[in-house]
Amino acid sequence: DIQMTQSPSTLSASVGDRVTITCRASQSISPWLAWYQQKPGTAPKLLISLASSLESGVPSRFSGSGSGTEFTLTISSLQPDDSATYYCQQYHSYSLTFGQGTRLEIK
Amino acid sequence: QVQLVEGGGGVVQPGKSLRLSCTASGFTFSGHAMHWVRQAPGKGPEWVAAVSDDGNDKYYADSVKGRFTISRDNSKNTLNLQMNSLRTEDTSVYYCARADCNTIECKRTDYWGLGTLVTVSS
Repeated sequence: DIQMTQSPSTLSASVGDRVTITCRASQSISPWLAWYQQKPGTAPKLLISLASSLESGVPSRFSGSGSGTEFTLTISSLQPDDSATYYCQQYHSYSLTFGQGTRLEIK
Repeated sequence: QVQLVEGGGGVVQPGKSLRLSCTASGFTFSGHAMHWVRQAPGKGPEWVAAVSDDGNDKYYADSVKGRFTISRDNSKNTLNLQMNSLRTEDTSVYYCARADCNTIECKRTDYWGLGTLVTVSS
């Protein structure tokens, strides 16, 4: 299976900060990379697919980039509502696999 | 709007069986592949199984292969997961998720249900 490694595991930032989360795959998966946002007690919500394609309704402060084995999720100006856990997922091949998550806290 | 509602979760002893269901509405169920994804308490999501639009093609995670069976009834807009020989490590919230197209190779999941909790404990 393809292993997905996220960093950092926890991130604390202030409103208005630019935040970046990194995801590395154990082999090339371009462009089959998705980012999900999960708030406590709710299902993961798809934010970005195809590494950089923003889902409908997702604020434009979210963006994704990367190729090959290294990908990033960037929030350009952090908002209070962005407090959540973020997961990357590869959908290049079965078994689909997720990163271990990055918990984003607002200072 | 797309809705996915899971049911059938509960507390079950190790070695026993449980059948989960997911009722879909707001879209043409028979036109989409479907997935099950689970999440153990405090852990990240783990993909479990997928089925094509017609039910003929299926994939399973190694951790459930031979114990779990995914199926669907397009006449009832329902996705199922038969779970046998349950283990304590199967304890999770189980989500059904819609794929964005119809074949088994459709792996991007765009809508998820609210989930149903399965607890395997003696």
